[in-house]
Parts: sequence; C-alpha cells; structure tokens
Amino acid sequence: DVKVTQSSRYLVKRTGEKVFLECVQDMDHENMFWYRQDPGLGLRLIYFSYDVKMKEKGDIPEGYSVSREKKERFSLILESASTNQTSMYLCASSGGLLHFGNGTRLTVT
Amino acid sequence: QKEVEQNSGPLSVPEGAIASLNCTYSDRGSQSFFWYRQYSGKSPELIMSIYSNGDKEDGRFTAQLNKASQYVSLLIRDSQPSDSATYLCAVYVGGSNYKLTFGKGTLLTVNP
Repeated sequence: DVKVTQSSRYLVKRTGEKVFLECVQDMDHENMFWYRQDPGLGLRLIYFSYDVKMKEKGDIPEGYSVSREKKERFSLILESASTNQTSMYLCASSGGLLHFGNGTRLTVT
Repeated sequence: QKEVEQNSGPLSVPEGAIASLNCTYSDRGSQSFFWYRQYSGKSPELIMSIYSNGDKEDGRFTAQLNKASQYVSLLIRDSQPSDSATYLCAVYVGGSNYKLTFGKGTLLTVNP
C-alpha cells in the first residue's frame, strides 16, 4: 500500500510566521502534489512536482512555495502566514493513481 | 478551464437502497476517471477508477462511464450508514504528471 505521511495533523501558527509543511511518500513516485481544501471551494491545487528539484504552479500558488530536494519528500512553505491560509492541507503522490496523506489542519491566528 | 461538475447534495437515501452519484466533465480529451470517498475530517480515499466506456464493478460499488455524454457515475448498492461521506469525482485529461481535476463533491447521507 502507498503510504503518504504528513508530519503534523494539526498546526497553529501566528500571522507573519514562516510555516513548513512536510510530506513523505514511500513508493518512489515521481509526482507529488499539495492541495488545500476549504468548505464550498473543494480541492485546489497549490503546487506539484514531477521530479527532484522540479516544480510547477497549480491553480493557487500565491503566498506559497515548495521544495523537493529528495524524491520522497515534498515540502510546502508559507513564506508569511496569513489568516486566509487557514485551511486543510493535503499532500498526495502518484505513480498512476493519486493517494493522499492524512492532511494537516492549519490555523493561522 | 477544465471543469468537473457534481451536485453538492446532500443526497439522502435509506439504508439498503441504491445511491447514485453523478459527475460531468468538460474536456472531451479526458482519459481516466476516479471516485474518492472522504469522511468528515479525513483525507480522500480512492475507491474506484474507470478508463473505458461501460460499467466497472467492485463489490457494492459500480462506476459507469459514458464518454460521448461526458458523464461518469458511481452507484452504491445496499447502502450502509458507513457509506455516509462526501464523494469526489476526479478526471485526468492526459499528459504527464498525473494531475487530476476534482469536482467539489457530493455529500451522501445513508439513513438507518
């Protein structure tokens, strides 16, 4: 079974903080994704990566950056957290079928 | 803009009934179709994939695809209260990277 692990289940951060969300997959997948999910807006793609050090913007990249230094790890960075970034963040990886991690519920106060 | 549309619901069915969830998509070049189940507060879980026209059955679940009508559906037979969740339809248009486009989901409630 594919295992996608997000480092934190819940996070509370203050406005203006730099926030790192970590994601690790154990299936040697080339493709990894970061989504956020908000009520009424569904899943929205922030960034994805198709190889080490390769990344592409998704639908809502503003205010976010990503890092992929190793194939198994894909990090989402909130450069300066704002209250409108309070959300559920979902990491996923794919080698043909997309599988999600357990999610990180981030609250920015 | 590639779009995937689902009725947001809620869809309410009695226990033991057939639940029918529907999804339409805008891109005729779409190649692969997926259904995810998401319980409240949890992450989406892949339950079905379908790639060619017709029906695909897996236990109590049947996915149906009609590419001419750009329509994909999920039938859940003998619905159970444990099937109560939001069901997300996802579509893959093609190319590399396996990037999916998701609908906003249909909330299903199965009443005992």
